[in-house]
Amino acid sequence: EVQLVESGGGLVQPGGSLRLSCAASGFTFSSNWMNWVRQAPETGLEWVANIHPDGSQKSYVDSVKGRFTISRDNAKTSLYLQMNSLRAEDTAVYYCAAGVSIWGQGTLVTVSS
Amino acid sequence: EIVMTQSPATLSVSPGERATLSCRASQSVSSNLAWYQQKPGQAPRLLIYGASTRATGFPARFSGSGSGTEFTLTISSLQSEDFAVYYCQQSNNWPFTFGPGTKVDIK
Repeated sequence: EVQLVESGGGLVQPGGSLRLSCAASGFTFSSNWMNWVRQAPETGLEWVANIHPDGSQKSYVDSVKGRFTISRDNAKTSLYLQMNSLRAEDTAVYYCAAGVSIWGQGTLVTVSS
Repeated sequence: EIVMTQSPATLSVSPGERATLSCRASQSVSSNLAWYQQKPGQAPRLLIYGASTRATGFPARFSGSGSGTEFTLTISSLQSEDFAVYYCQQSNNWPFTFGPGTKVDIK
């Protein structure tokens, strides 16, 4: 079964850090661009970051540049998002996606004191 | 950044009727345009890619058209399972961007 399962979300104080993980199965992970997309009620869907199949290229939306880092481990078929200096506006459900066609169910990140 | 707009924000349709949803890009995205369907509590699900290619699992009543800056999603005869929010998204330029969505609800 083709599957992406996110984990690592939770409640964190402003300025704190979280690391999201996404475990992939059922497809050739190492051949796919991987992505993090977030959804907040106020701002809708936002494509946060993506990473080349071999990890050589990474792109970030301006609002997270310098604070978030996307990475992957093809041997473990896993995707990660290290989030530092978190702000209230980072509060959202975070989805990992393989290309555009395979999505996880999301993990909720809440930044609040 | 390419700004995506969608209209209308809400579309009230009776089952069996046709629904036409519009998406506009602030600059050309060629045919690098996708549509997603999202139901409450679920992740977005890819519906259309390349502006007009239907994704696996969606019936032929869904169709996409357009190129450049103007795109349309048509649902020819709405079924109960089609009531959802529909988003367009461009992948022509980074950052990839989504429209604000069109909610299709029951009239």
